[in-house]
Amino acid sequence: ETGVTQSPTHLIKTRGQQVTLRCSSQSGHNTVSWYQQALGQGPQFIFQYYREEENGRGNFPPRFSGLQFPNYSSELNVNALELDDSALYLCASSLAMGLAGRNYQETQYFGPGTRLLVL
Amino acid sequence: LAKTTQPISMDSYEGQEVNITCSHNNIATNDYITWYQQFPSQGPRFIIQGYKTKVTNEVASLFIPADRKSSTLSLPRVSLSDTAVYYCLVGDMGTGGSYIPTFGRGTSLIVHP
Repeated sequence: ETGVTQSPTHLIKTRGQQVTLRCSSQSGHNTVSWYQQALGQGPQFIFQYYREEENGRGNFPPRFSGLQFPNYSSELNVNALELDDSALYLCASSLAMGLAGRNYQETQYFGPGTRLLVL
Repeated sequence: LAKTTQPISMDSYEGQEVNITCSHNNIATNDYITWYQQFPSQGPRFIIQGYKTKVTNEVASLFIPADRKSSTLSLPRVSLSDTAVYYCLVGDMGTGGSYIPTFGRGTSLIVHP
């Protein structure tokens, strides 16, 4: 158990719809990252939030957006869903000791994921 | 761009030592190498992290040669419960100097009785 929780566990949507996924970070962590993991692939980095600001973004279109709240919980929003958005969405929390000179990945604690199916 | 290459799958038997190698030819000078384990329908779990030479913890060892273009995760005396997918992780520097973590496709380890 990592202390990171995600909701919902499973979700079915249709193409064109919008979805919001939620993540509750491990206590004391100030950073949350979101990943998309297609079947048989490694997790692909979507973006990261540090103290409520986006800090780094992978190769995902703007219809993927996020929020981090003052209690460090987070949301991932995906608009205009496409069939290829079907995947396991993972959030991971970590503790960043400031951003200056930050050049490595802190240990990330992953949640169990939300499995999204787009029909 | 940082990129990792690992064997797609490996087989072993209980009690054996397993070594999984990851190549990361373009690793940044100041980047670390991190390994994660993932079971089906679960999120990845941190195993070990290192910068150079050898790192050991209670579950694994990580060997990194001087050129840092590869790393080897060593699992001593594996058991059936070590059957999982193992990922090595390095990073890229994104716009604004942010760190972009990059997972490989992972190595599926199957441990046989």
